[in-house]
Amino acid sequence: NAGVTQTPKFQVLKTGQSMTLQCAQDMNHNSMYWYRQDPGMGLRLIYYSASEGTTDKGEVPNGYNVSRLNKREFSLRLESAAPSQTSVYFCASSGEVLAAYNEQFFGPGTRLTVL
Amino acid sequence: RKEVEQDPGPFNVPEGATVAFNCTYSNSASQSFFWYRQDCRKEPKLLMSVYSSGNEDGRFTAQLNRASQYISLLIRDSKLSDSATYLCVVMRPGGSYIPTFGRGTSLIVHP
Repeated sequence: NAGVTQTPKFQVLKTGQSMTLQCAQDMNHNSMYWYRQDPGMGLRLIYYSASEGTTDKGEVPNGYNVSRLNKREFSLRLESAAPSQTSVYFCASSGEVLAAYNEQFFGPGTRLTVL
Repeated sequence: RKEVEQDPGPFNVPEGATVAFNCTYSNSASQSFFWYRQDCRKEPKLLMSVYSSGNEDGRFTAQLNRASQYISLLIRDSKLSDSATYLCVVMRPGGSYIPTFGRGTSLIVHP
């Protein structure tokens, strides 16, 4: 099993450009998440999808949109990139069923630089 | 008070030492707790869940103190390979199971 895959691994954008980060999981998980990680800030939740067909805002949703395309795929879109969005982005998934002690599985991350 | 707080460290210890980290959380209704490990420039991976009764996995022991609202991670007989950042994760109360991550504690084990 591939687990959680993310594309691209690296990306450089100019301010104002748009892009979509792709995430897919093959573990039949219900829940999927997008995080950003900045130095000294830990992981901060951008958006999550508790189950197919639902999405909700996390702690830092401004400047982002998401799509839960199907049970496997959850994409993150930056409509107009800003330097403040320079970060490492992690996608994660958890749980065939919603439960308190589900482990989160993370993708390898996308390193995004906005100039 | 932040939702989940950790001492960022770094904790610098020699091989073979015992080291402990704490993590405090602000919401007394939080329902589940975890320790994740993150190596440099890699994704986080689950180290262990933290149950009310405490749990042990080899050299690692995790404990939960609901009265004082903290969880702890004890590492015995530290190895060089234990060098990493340890992330505390707390699930918010309610049925949506949304995790909140601490900023992480850096551990450096030296020869």
